[in-house]
Amino acid sequence: QKEVEQDPGPLSVPEGAIVSLNCTYSNSAFQYFMWYRQYSRKGPELLMYTYSSGNKEDGRFTAQVDKSSKYISLFIRDSQPSDSATYLCAGGTGFQKLVFGTGTRLLVSP
Amino acid sequence: SAVISQKPSRDICQRGTSLTIQCQVDSQVTMMFWYRQQPGQSLTLIATANQGSEATYESGFVIDKFPISRPNLTFSTLTVSNMSPEDSSIYLCSSQGGRSTDTQYFGPGTRLTVL
Repeated sequence: QKEVEQDPGPLSVPEGAIVSLNCTYSNSAFQYFMWYRQYSRKGPELLMYTYSSGNKEDGRFTAQVDKSSKYISLFIRDSQPSDSATYLCAGGTGFQKLVFGTGTRLLVSP
Repeated sequence: SAVISQKPSRDICQRGTSLTIQCQVDSQVTMMFWYRQQPGQSLTLIATANQGSEATYESGFVIDKFPISRPNLTFSTLTVSNMSPEDSSIYLCSSQGGRSTDTQYFGPGTRLTVL
């Protein structure tokens, strides 16, 4: 079992839809959870991170962590074609030793 | 956030040769890391580049295959030695600490193809 599992997709949605991207993890010691966005042929770009359980909102993006079920979610409201990318989740006990999921490819059609 | 550049952005190499990838950060950072990203697989940490000392390698990666240098707080190199087609991958460096004290920021990656 991988430490961080993520559905590879692709996930196809129409413009304006609410997108839900999810990961599960197995290491109960993880306290930090990150979401990165990666456009084709580019490096991963940090979207947001959360510490422990709870929600964090930044504009159209909301990250949610449920440590009891070891479930990580990223919600994107009012999705745009420019949101089309691969989204990577990661967990770790700190900021240094991050374990990444394989990424979910999102396609937002106009 | 730190701005990171990598050279080369891509290369096509012959089996048995070596390639050195450079990573430059625009400010002094505490930690630098090297990752490999293969198609359909997650980012895999190769090693932590330590300034002034030997790199710390993850399980499955060895110094003879992936020698790393970090001469100062803004620069690191990764060499992929004696390459085989299995080394074809995207290699990414990241930094953590310094001006941004929290999580890791990544460079654009080096796309390596070994024939």
